[in-house]
Amino acid sequence: DAKTTQPNSMESNEEEPVHLPCNHSTISGTDYIHWYRQLPSQGPEYVIHGLTSNVNNRMASLAIAEDRKSSTLILHRATLRDAAVYYCILRDNTGKLIFGQGTTLQVKP
Amino acid sequence: KAGVTQTPRYLIKTRGQQVTLSCSPISGHRSVSWYQQTPGQGLQFLFEYFSETQRNKGNFPGRFSGRQFSNSRSEMNVSTLELGDSALYLCASSLAGQGGSGANVLTFGAGSRLTVL
Repeated sequence: DAKTTQPNSMESNEEEPVHLPCNHSTISGTDYIHWYRQLPSQGPEYVIHGLTSNVNNRMASLAIAEDRKSSTLILHRATLRDAAVYYCILRDNTGKLIFGQGTTLQVKP
Repeated sequence: KAGVTQTPRYLIKTRGQQVTLSCSPISGHRSVSWYQQTPGQGLQFLFEYFSETQRNKGNFPGRFSGRQFSNSRSEMNVSTLELGDSALYLCASSLAGQGGSGANVLTFGAGSRLTVL
């Protein structure tokens, strides 16, 4: 199973952009890169996913390196509600999601 | 539309007992997967069901089992409970097709928090 590596924690100021990095050097050609986040006392919540090209949605942007060995989740303007654990996950066609330890994002007012 | 519903939300059992947890997926979702979350091990994949068949299994002992019904609802069972089984058990559903796809997005429930005494 391909693994991901993320920093344990990051801090951001409210209304500033946040760049959450993820390394996945053992990614295979069919693996999609997914990001989920988990707020306290809740189940994980889907944020964004991509395969090769950068992706944007209402929540965030996903920048994928050309060699696909790393990616960055971009929150354009962090709010206090964005404080959560962010998981970068590789998802293959077997249906498994292999979670790493994730990055705990703190947002300061 | 209704999200993924897990019941019960909280339960307390004693060592040696067994427990059954239920998951109702989003309407139309045929894939249901289960995860265990503990402070020490994080989120770990238990198994995935599609059309009443187990399609994938994680590295858990045989005490952990599951099943899926024809309406896509799923249950997981843990027998002979141990203290280490105390965890948040999460269920997720997706619109996965027969062949599966890495693009499928999962929707998680709020979880069932099991405490084993």
